[in-house]
Amino acid sequence: GAVVSQHPSRVICKSGTSVKIECRSLDFQATTMFWYRQFPKQSLMLMATSNEGSKATYEQGVEKDKFLINHASLTLSTLTVTSAHPEDSSFYICSALVRANTEAFFGQGTRLTVV
Amino acid sequence: GQQLNQSPQSMFIQEGEDVSMNCTSSSIFNTWLWYKQEPGEGPVLLIALYKAGELTSNGRLTAQFGITRKDSFLNISASIPSDVGIYFCAGRPGRTGANNLFFGTGTRLTVIP
Repeated sequence: GAVVSQHPSRVICKSGTSVKIECRSLDFQATTMFWYRQFPKQSLMLMATSNEGSKATYEQGVEKDKFLINHASLTLSTLTVTSAHPEDSSFYICSALVRANTEAFFGQGTRLTVV
Repeated sequence: GQQLNQSPQSMFIQEGEDVSMNCTSSSIFNTWLWYKQEPGEGPVLLIALYKAGELTSNGRLTAQFGITRKDSFLNISASIPSDVGIYFCAGRPGRTGANNLFFGTGTRLTVIP
């Protein structure tokens, strides 16, 4: 199947700093990528939908200025958590769509800890 | 966003036993998916269902798309230790992958050898 790679898998940062998470489709081009957030023992919540070459569509309640998404190429989308706070600590997961009529494949996730 | 009710929340079973979990929604979905997530990893797709009434198998796993389009179940037969993980159902109102996917609350499965 298609491979989606996320980097880094774990990151610890200080409050007030920014962190960038990368999501790459390794063997296919993804016009659409999705970013999710998952708290411990909870389900995945969609944060935003990222389309190559256009602005991301954010879900209600997700601050677009706090969670900057850039989908600059057909194989890469980035999520930048700006001015991170401890409450931003979470597991962030991306998924990428091979084609519109197929299913999206998930990356392995990034565990962010803000201290 | 929409949330799907998944049950049970957790299960502890003996190796070799069969497992059944289900997912319900208050609204209609046109696609139902079942994923497995292991600690520290992203979800892995197990089975995809696209038609009401559809019954699909993947090895020891069988899933069905409910006739009302508001529910789905997943069965695992003859469980083995590596079945341990969290199983999520997911539903999509549309038929294409570009539409939003809503996840269930998850079922944590523990298999006792």
